[in-house]
Amino acid sequence: GAVVSQHPSWVICKSGTSVKIECRSLDFQATTMFWYRQFPKQSLMLMATSNEGSKATYEQGVEKDKFLINHASLTLSTLTVTSAHPEDSSFYICSAPVGGRSYEQFFGPGTRLTVL
Amino acid sequence: AQRVTQPEKLLSVFKGAPVELKCNYSYSGSPELFWYVQYSRQRLQLLLRHISRESIKGFTADLNKGETSFHLKKPFAQEEDSAMYYCALSGFGNEKLTFGTGTRLTIIP
Repeated sequence: GAVVSQHPSWVICKSGTSVKIECRSLDFQATTMFWYRQFPKQSLMLMATSNEGSKATYEQGVEKDKFLINHASLTLSTLTVTSAHPEDSSFYICSAPVGGRSYEQFFGPGTRLTVL
Repeated sequence: AQRVTQPEKLLSVFKGAPVELKCNYSYSGSPELFWYVQYSRQRLQLLLRHISRESIKGFTADLNKGETSFHLKKPFAQEEDSAMYYCALSGFGNEKLTFGTGTRLTIIP
């Protein structure tokens, strides 16, 4: 099946710094990717839809200036958490649909962000 | 607005006993329903989807539009079924998924 990778798998940073997380589709092209946030023992919350070649679409309540998304190619989307604070500590997961159909959506392994 | 409800956060079942994980949804149009599973230390993966009407690893789920439910069932639980299960919904032809809060299933040997 299709594979989605994320890098890094975990990151620790100081408060006030910015952190970039990469999401790559390894063996397929993805015009759309999704970014989720997952708090401990809670469900996945969709943050935004990353669109190749155009602006990301953010869900209600998600600060677009805080969580910058760039989808520069058909295989790479990046999420940058700007001026990170401890409350941004979370597990960030990306996914990509294959063939543009929702049921063929593949998930990355996630990135654990800890902000000190 | 679309919503997915999984009423049970935790469910423990003895090995060999039947399993049922409940999922109810709210959606104004024609939904597509899915079950995703996350085994320990693994990524989220698709278990099954309602349009396929298939059985995966012994699990089945039937979409009941009258009750707006999509419960996941398995007649005989196995230890390897222990995992986190998420019910998810998308609008027909829409790639965006809305997840339920998940149910952690533990199979007792």
